[in-house]
Amino acid sequence: DTAVSQTPKYLVTQMGNDKSIKCEQNLGHDTMYWYKQDSKKFLKIMFSYNNKELIINETVPNRFSPKSPDKAHLNLHINSLELGDSAVYFCASSGNRGGEKLFFGSGTQLSVL
Amino acid sequence: SQQGEEDPQALSIQEGENATMNCSYKTSINNLQWYRQNSGRGLVHLILIRSNEREKHSGRLRVTLDTSKKSSSLLITASRAADTASYFCATDAGNMLTFGGGTRLMVKP
Repeated sequence: DTAVSQTPKYLVTQMGNDKSIKCEQNLGHDTMYWYKQDSKKFLKIMFSYNNKELIINETVPNRFSPKSPDKAHLNLHINSLELGDSAVYFCASSGNRGGEKLFFGSGTQLSVL
Repeated sequence: SQQGEEDPQALSIQEGENATMNCSYKTSINNLQWYRQNSGRGLVHLILIRSNEREKHSGRLRVTLDTSKKSSSLLITASRAADTASYFCATDAGNMLTFGGGTRLMVKP
């Protein structure tokens, strides 16, 4: 019944590895997002997709590649992980392009060692 | 830089007291939203106030918006221990929401 679900909840990995985080929403929303929350709790948007089309890419290193196979899924692949990538990553969705309320997943805590 | 900034960064009160959190922002907005985040969880939407609204209520929550001062406040009345969480404001200035750093509220029983 979870509206926005993301997996895994915890991800511990070594520097240089490649990892993916998956996100699915069952709300029928057209727009999905990835946000990054740092250790000071600041939440910053990374990407936004509307109906499988990339509409926001906020100066994220190209080691981060989002993929949206359909409008219910938005996955995040990260290549060559670095220590500074350690954070909590949140997936979210909304009913239209930006501005309306967001529904968040429970987060993926990524620790790069 | 962050669009919205919450004040205070942390707030500790006794159960039953009111809690007031403030948010300031920099650019014109379409709406402003408040979210709550419990420890280890995702953010949950609380309330949305549009730029042409000045005040909005939802249960024990009261939100005000002053577009001339570019500021908003969130008031939680008769707080409960279960209100302990971080509270974030988010502004819509176009096609995405921009969040502040949050206010960490602790309500002591």
